[in-house]
Amino acid sequence: AQTVTQSQPEMSVQEAETVTLSCTYDTSESDYYLFWYKQPPSRQMILVIRQEAYKQQNATENRFSVNFQKAAKSFSLKISDSQLGDAAMYFCAYRSSVGGAQKLVFGQGTRLTINP
Amino acid sequence: DSGVTQTPKHLITATGQRVTLRCSPRSGDLSVYWYQQSLDQGLQFLIHYYNGEERAKGNILERFSAQQFPDLHSELNLSSLELGDSALYFCASSDLLTLTDTQYFGPGTRLTVL
Repeated sequence: AQTVTQSQPEMSVQEAETVTLSCTYDTSESDYYLFWYKQPPSRQMILVIRQEAYKQQNATENRFSVNFQKAAKSFSLKISDSQLGDAAMYFCAYRSSVGGAQKLVFGQGTRLTINP
Repeated sequence: DSGVTQTPKHLITATGQRVTLRCSPRSGDLSVYWYQQSLDQGLQFLIHYYNGEERAKGNILERFSAQQFPDLHSELNLSSLELGDSALYFCASSDLLTLTDTQYFGPGTRLTVL
């Protein structure tokens, strides 16, 4: 079974600075999808960014980018120019590409605090 | 707004009772997933329905059941409730016909069992 590990329960960063959240995963599959979801105090789960394992290019979405290292099974999230609205729990998630196995497997989350 | 709706937002009930959580997927999405978020277990997959048929089961208790109706909305039924069932229950939907198949989450239903 696949597992996802987020080793940083909490992180903090100064507003306008850059922060990187870590995520590692374990799988025997060669094709899969990885996601970062954000959960602000409202508790809504919001998709931040996604990465297809077959793509070598790292995904980017505005101030959010990932560092995908397939061999190392690492998928970190970099937030540039941090804003107060970025404060939230961040969850890394894995999804198999095998048919019928579309469930998301989540890490335990990293709570990000933005200091003004 | 993800386009996924869940009702009710909050539910407070007593042990031993039965409740029903409702989810309406995004327009056009055929897949519905249910997840449970609790302090001790984190985010756990419960069950997946596609176009009315059960596709996969996760860590779903026998006291819990779900179904997806012809109009594609889904209901999660929780019975013989215990204190430990208190959690945030999320529904997510996706369109399996697209390559991305990203799951979009509803706002969740917070269940409190007293």
